[in-house]
Amino acid sequence: SQKIEQNSEALNIQEGKTATLTCNYTNYSPAYLQWYRQDPGRGPVFLLLIRENEKEKRKERLKVTFDTTLKQSLFHITASQPADSATYLCACRGQNFVFGPGTRLSVLP
Amino acid sequence: DTGVSQDPRHKITKRGQNVTFRCDPISEHNRLYWYRQTLGQGPEFLTYFQNEAQLEKSRLLSDRFSAERPKGSFSTLEIQRTEQGDSAMYLCASSPRGTGKREDTQYFGPGTRLTVL
Repeated sequence: SQKIEQNSEALNIQEGKTATLTCNYTNYSPAYLQWYRQDPGRGPVFLLLIRENEKEKRKERLKVTFDTTLKQSLFHITASQPADSATYLCACRGQNFVFGPGTRLSVLP
Repeated sequence: DTGVSQDPRHKITKRGQNVTFRCDPISEHNRLYWYRQTLGQGPEFLTYFQNEAQLEKSRLLSDRFSAERPKGSFSTLEIQRTEQGDSAMYLCASSPRGTGKREDTQYFGPGTRLTVL
């Protein structure tokens, strides 16, 4: 069955640096990938969608890449701020909608 | 507030009791999803409605779980004979009518946290 892995359970970085989060998928070739942000005790919030024919997508300080050969998506936050601290989830749609376990990002001042 | 709402926000029940949760999606959204999330994990798909039709249901969902969406508006998720393993956050999400590509950008509610004692 389709599976999504996110490489780090937790990631700590210094304010102002670029955070890079990884999403790997197996047993499927999704037409698109989505990234969501989730704060403690709240539902996920949609951030970006990237389609299989797109190499890169940007939104303000966020950038997502999609490599169908590596079966991987990278999510970058540039000039990170403490307010970016949250759990970031990767998701795709196969037979059902599948979310990865998330990476908890902490941006230290 | 025109977002997705869920009720109740918290529910504590004893093992063996039945519980029912409600989700009110964004009004113009025709797609509705239920997920379960446990600590440190991503949301796990439970079921999906398009309007009032339940189109998908996870094989992981036992017969104790049932969901309805009468008239294609709000939805309810019922868990019968609750077990301690049912303790989790239950999330509802809605999605607008798509272009046919089923890209399903989902708007989540705040969730209902269930604790089974």
